Amino acid sequence: RKEVEQDPGPFNVPEGATVAFNCTYSNSASQSFFWYRQDCRKEPKLLMSVYSSGNEDGRFTAQLNRASQYISLLIRDSKLSDSATYLCVVNPFGGAGNMLTFGGGTRLMVKP
Amino acid sequence: EAEVAQSPRYKITEKSQAVAFWCDPISGHATLYWYRQILGQGPELLVQFQDESVVDDSQLPKDRFSAERLKGVDSTLKIQPAELGDSAMYLCASSLFPSGREANTGELFFGEGSRLTVL
Repeated sequence: RKEVEQDPGPFNVPEGATVAFNCTYSNSASQSFFWYRQDCRKEPKLLMSVYSSGNEDGRFTAQLNRASQYISLLIRDSKLSDSATYLCVVNPFGGAGNMLTFGGGTRLMVKP
Repeated sequence: EAEVAQSPRYKITEKSQAVAFWCDPISGHATLYWYRQILGQGPELLVQFQDESVVDDSQLPKDRFSAERLKGVDSTLKIQPAELGDSAMYLCASSLFPSGREANTGELFFGEGSRLTVL
């Protein structure tokens, strides 16, 4: 079983739609969680952190469910520019340092 | 344009040849990572440095891959000999790790990557 698992998609949605992705992680002791965005043939970039209390940034909302070991990303009012691959990232270790494990990514395609 | 510099951007080589990638992280970033990303998959960590020391190289195929960061600044990843299955994007990333205090921001700054094709 992979440490971080995502549905690869693609998710094809029309502009203005709401779309949600889930990601599951295997290490129950994981400490921190993130969503990265990767445009086609570009490098990944941090989209947002995922806090225990949830995190909202404009049209994007991230949630953490420790009991079920999954995190989610909700995108409201999808834009064409949201088309990208969304990578779920988990830090399985607490304490100092970043030891990040990436999921395989979920591809989103927003269409006019 | 990414602040983490990588070269070359593209490399085509034949199997059994040697290949090397170079990375210059953001100034002041003590932690440097090399990831490999196969098309359609997420990045997989190959090696992590803290200054000049290796923190994690458990996923580095040491029979053919080597990585160094001699002065704790720029880094080189080498493959010798290259195999067909090594075709991938090799991403370098860096993060700020303040000494003496825990850092867990999760923000890695990636370079644009070096795309390797092995024929």
